[in-house]
Amino acid sequence: NAGVTQTPKFQVLKTGQSMTLQCAQDMNHNSMYWYRQDPGMGLRLIYYSASEGTTDKGEVPNGYNVSRLNKREFSLRLESAAPSQTSVYFCASTKIGVGNTEAFFGQGTRLTVV
Amino acid sequence: AQSVTQPDIHITVSEGASLELRCNYSYGATPYLFWYVQSPGQGLQLLLKYFSGDTLVQGIKGFEAEFKRSQSSFNLRKPSVHWSDAAEYFCAVGRMNRDDKIIFGKGTRLHILP
Repeated sequence: NAGVTQTPKFQVLKTGQSMTLQCAQDMNHNSMYWYRQDPGMGLRLIYYSASEGTTDKGEVPNGYNVSRLNKREFSLRLESAAPSQTSVYFCASTKIGVGNTEAFFGQGTRLTVV
Repeated sequence: AQSVTQPDIHITVSEGASLELRCNYSYGATPYLFWYVQSPGQGLQLLLKYFSGDTLVQGIKGFEAEFKRSQSSFNLRKPSVHWSDAAEYFCAVGRMNRDDKIIFGKGTRLHILP
């Protein structure tokens, strides 16, 4: 049982390049999330998807797009990377269950934009 | 709008001393509350969670937290810290309804003195 898998683990981009961060979960969870983590800022929600086919903006969506490809996969795309998007990105998933819910996290993607 | 405040950015305690990390939340309904821990370079691990019932919840690694509705707080405690507890701790709030999302605080970094 792999849990939440993110790829890649590390990436360096030049300003203006595009890339997609991949996330997959094998726990049959309904909800998936993308966060970015910056020093002193905690985890800030970029986008989330409550179910297959739906996506919603979080706290910091500008400069990002997402796709909920199916129940397992939730990708994050940077169309034109900027240095301000240098961060560690975490994907998470949760199942919906009263009294029995938690978020499971991937190991993170460290992205540097130069 | 839901929000989480962790007033202490850094806390330093001596090994063997007691610990309390503060968390205050703002949420329009009865919240689900979580504490996560992140060791350097690692992902996030769930320490404990509160959904309903007993307001004192026990977690892993000897941690506990108390939900106080009147104070909108969910403080994390440990009677005696170990050097391995040095990490960053995040409080989070959500409800895990179909369209809900999880919001994190900015984190508290715990330093342990030998």
